Amino acid sequence: GIQVEQSPPDLILQEGANSTLRCNFSDSVNNLQWFHQNPWGQLINLFYIPSGTKQNGRLSATTVATERYSLLYISSSQTTDSGVYFCAVAFMDSNYQLIWGAGTKLIIKP
Amino acid sequence: GAVVSQHPSRVICKSGTSVKIECRSLDFQATTMFWYRQFPKKSLMLMATSNEGSKATYEQGVEKDKFLINHASLTLSTLTVTSAHPEDSSFYICSATTTGNSPLHFGNGTRLTVT
Repeated sequence: GIQVEQSPPDLILQEGANSTLRCNFSDSVNNLQWFHQNPWGQLINLFYIPSGTKQNGRLSATTVATERYSLLYISSSQTTDSGVYFCAVAFMDSNYQLIWGAGTKLIIKP
Repeated sequence: GAVVSQHPSRVICKSGTSVKIECRSLDFQATTMFWYRQFPKKSLMLMATSNEGSKATYEQGVEKDKFLINHASLTLSTLTVTSAHPEDSSFYICSATTTGNSPLHFGNGTRLTVT
């Protein structure tokens, strides 16, 4: 069936470290977004990236649609990066509804 | 950028009462709005999809008579939790988009506590 899998489920790092979060999906997509949910529950749209590579400051993302995965890179982590990172995809022929991964919980220690 | 305003951010109500949550797109016209529910330490669960001027489409297992959704205009959708029970306590989040393949923009969520 349709699946969105994120790894790792949990990640604990020291401030200043780099990290890579992965999102695998089971079918062709026409929409893929990365979100950061902060400890207060707010969802922040990081990237809209159904294919290609984008960068925004310390964050960058790459989606290889043909191989059905996306990566989110966080460099020089800061404590404010803590939270849960979600990948959500809309599969083709799915009426554009997003299917959510289970998330990666990131804790950055000072 | 696109802004979605959701309120209230927190609400506490007694069992049996109804609660309305509003979701507004402030600077764009939202043809489609989605309502999600999030349990603690879980991912978002889509409850329903609403298109302006038509009835909402509910996901399997979501009671449409309990969670009333109205998308009366291109900038406003409301979710009303009727006859609330403690098990309805949760974090509810709305999102909005202009066209089907555009990025989603989220409200800040509403934490509902039913006592």
